Amino acid sequence: GAVVSQHPSWVICKSGTSVKIECRSLDFQATTMFWYRQFPKQSLMLMATSNEGSKATYEQGVEKDKFLINHASLTLSTLTVTSAHPEDSSFYICSASRPGEQYFGPGTRLTVT
Amino acid sequence: GESVGLHLPTLSVQEGDNSIINCAYSNSASDYFIWYKQESGKGPQFIIDIRSNMDKRQGQRVTVLLNKTVKHLSLQIAATQPGDSAVYFCAERTTGNQFYFGTGTSLTVIP
Repeated sequence: GAVVSQHPSWVICKSGTSVKIECRSLDFQATTMFWYRQFPKQSLMLMATSNEGSKATYEQGVEKDKFLINHASLTLSTLTVTSAHPEDSSFYICSASRPGEQYFGPGTRLTVT
Repeated sequence: GESVGLHLPTLSVQEGDNSIINCAYSNSASDYFIWYKQESGKGPQFIIDIRSNMDKRQGQRVTVLLNKTVKHLSLQIAATQPGDSAVYFCAERTTGNQFYFGTGTSLTVIP
């Protein structure tokens, strides 16, 4: 199957700082990328949907000014957690999709101290 | 978001037995469903999918059943192995081409 990578795989940051997470589709051009958040022992919650070159569509309850998404190309989307707080600590997973298929990245663990 | 829920949060089975994991979905307009396996600290891994115009699909050791009348999905794993221990999620694709995940079931295989 197609490969989706995320970087970094784990990041620890101090409260109040911003963290950027990258999602790349390595061997295909993704028309759409999705960002999910997963707390321990819970399911994946869709945060936003982004199409290359357009603004992301955020799910209800997700603050777009806090979780900035940039989808600069068909192979790269970034999620920036701004002014991170301990409650933002979570596992962030992206997925890249092309018609009929969706592939998940390995996830990025964010720990805010 | 959409609501997709699972009946059982945990399931323990003996190695070699068959496993059945259930999922209820809420959006009757969803046209595509996927079962994912997630191991600790990793992203979801595709297992098997089914479109809404089907009621059964078989893969290697896995079978997915779809009952649109009651909006129910199940994953059957034959001859469960220790390597099958993981959390399993169902996901539905809505008309907006977005995927919403169920609660998840933690499967433990007892050797």
